[in-house]
Amino acid sequence: DQQVKQNSPSLSVQEGRISILNCDYTNSMFDYFLWYKKYPAEGPTFLISISSIKDKNEDGRFTVFLNKSAKHLSLHIVPSQPGDSAVYFCAAGGTSYGKLTFGQGTILTVHP
Amino acid sequence: DVKVTQSSRYLVKRTGEKVFLECVQDMDHENMFWYRQDPGLGLRLIYFSYDVKMKEKGDIPEGYSVSREKKERFSLILESASTNQTSMYLCASSPAGTLTDTQYFGPGTRLTVL
Repeated sequence: DQQVKQNSPSLSVQEGRISILNCDYTNSMFDYFLWYKKYPAEGPTFLISISSIKDKNEDGRFTVFLNKSAKHLSLHIVPSQPGDSAVYFCAAGGTSYGKLTFGQGTILTVHP
Repeated sequence: DVKVTQSSRYLVKRTGEKVFLECVQDMDHENMFWYRQDPGLGLRLIYFSYDVKMKEKGDIPEGYSVSREKKERFSLILESASTNQTSMYLCASSPAGTLTDTQYFGPGTRLTVL
């Protein structure tokens, strides 16, 4: 049972435009959400996180939005750059649940 | 900078062999994790450990075991490798606290079982 789902396997965006990556979850115990970025032949690296007490967290070009009622989060990248081309994983966890559960990943390609 | 290293980047083994994947972290982290990454399935947790000699099953522990004799080292063992264990294996560590703290990943080991 996939508790964290990224329904778009891939996304293609023009440089300078906005990239929006989506993630849905089913477990109501999740109260902490993270996005990781992975380049080929490297391990995932932490990008940004959000706690369930917030609905938005911003870090430079990256913003994560959380809609608890819809059990949905999204990552916005503005403006997108070719160096952002990578696989993006969303992950969810909870203080009472423990450990992280990852989504399937979305391959983002930013064209110059 | 946190560094997580894995013993091999690429490994080829035969069905039935015993396989050891080693992971070492240099930041004195209490928590360590083993995941496998497969296309369309994302990262799935195999085992994790929150202290020396402690281990907990993740979501897909079948066919695997782990060992944590020292704080900095976490080993994943495939007792009898099978072709369905061909995958990318990722090790991660995180400091003490909740298990949802940011995890730091190694570069991965791509294992092929023939």
